[in-house]
Amino acid sequence: SSELTQDPAVSVALGQTVRITCRGDSLRSYFASWFQQKPGQAPILVIYGQNKRPSGIPDRFSGSSSGDTASLTITAAQAEDEADYYCNSRDNTGNHVIFGGGTKLTVL
Amino acid sequence: QVQLQESGPGLVKPSETLSLTCTVSGDSIRSYYWSWIRQPPGKGLEWIGYIYYSGTTDYNPSLMSRVTISVDTSKNQFYLKLSSVTAAETAVYYCARGGGSGGPGAFDIWGQGTMVTVFS
Repeated sequence: SSELTQDPAVSVALGQTVRITCRGDSLRSYFASWFQQKPGQAPILVIYGQNKRPSGIPDRFSGSSSGDTASLTITAAQAEDEADYYCNSRDNTGNHVIFGGGTKLTVL
Repeated sequence: QVQLQESGPGLVKPSETLSLTCTVSGDSIRSYYWSWIRQPPGKGLEWIGYIYYSGTTDYNPSLMSRVTISVDTSKNQFYLKLSSVTAAETAVYYCARGGGSGGPGAFDIWGQGTMVTVFS
């Protein structure tokens, strides 16, 4: 079965740029979606498809992909960006949805 | 504004069947993919499965033998049944909308989630 691997934790200084990565074989064929989740809240979609942002998501959030790795970049990180971030995509069969384990982002 | 709301028992006994309803308001259920996703306390997200309004379903292979997702377009609702539950399946259960240009996993609308505890 397919897997998506994320670093458990990442930190960034306030106002700096941070990249959160998601790695998996299926990402060679399918785009990743990215979700932000704050404590006690439902996740929010921040990036999908080829670097598309839903309405209301700040343009400091961007997505990219190369080979088996998808990345979420936050430019000039703000205190309110501190959250858990999850990637998802399809598995190698293309039929099922899989999630990465999540990355806890700390803004220092 | 599209909204999703989960409902159902908050307590289920081990070996019994967990049943949840997701009510969609603000739009017709007759499009998009409608998923169930869960999150055990302090852990990550797990996709359970989805249903298309036409009735086509797809399930997480690890749960496939115990999961049924169905839809009632007349009520704008879809449902989750998970049989033979164990304590390890205590989690917040979310319903979510996916599809569009991002594919079925681009969940752009989520319910607030409902906590289900498996406990005897």
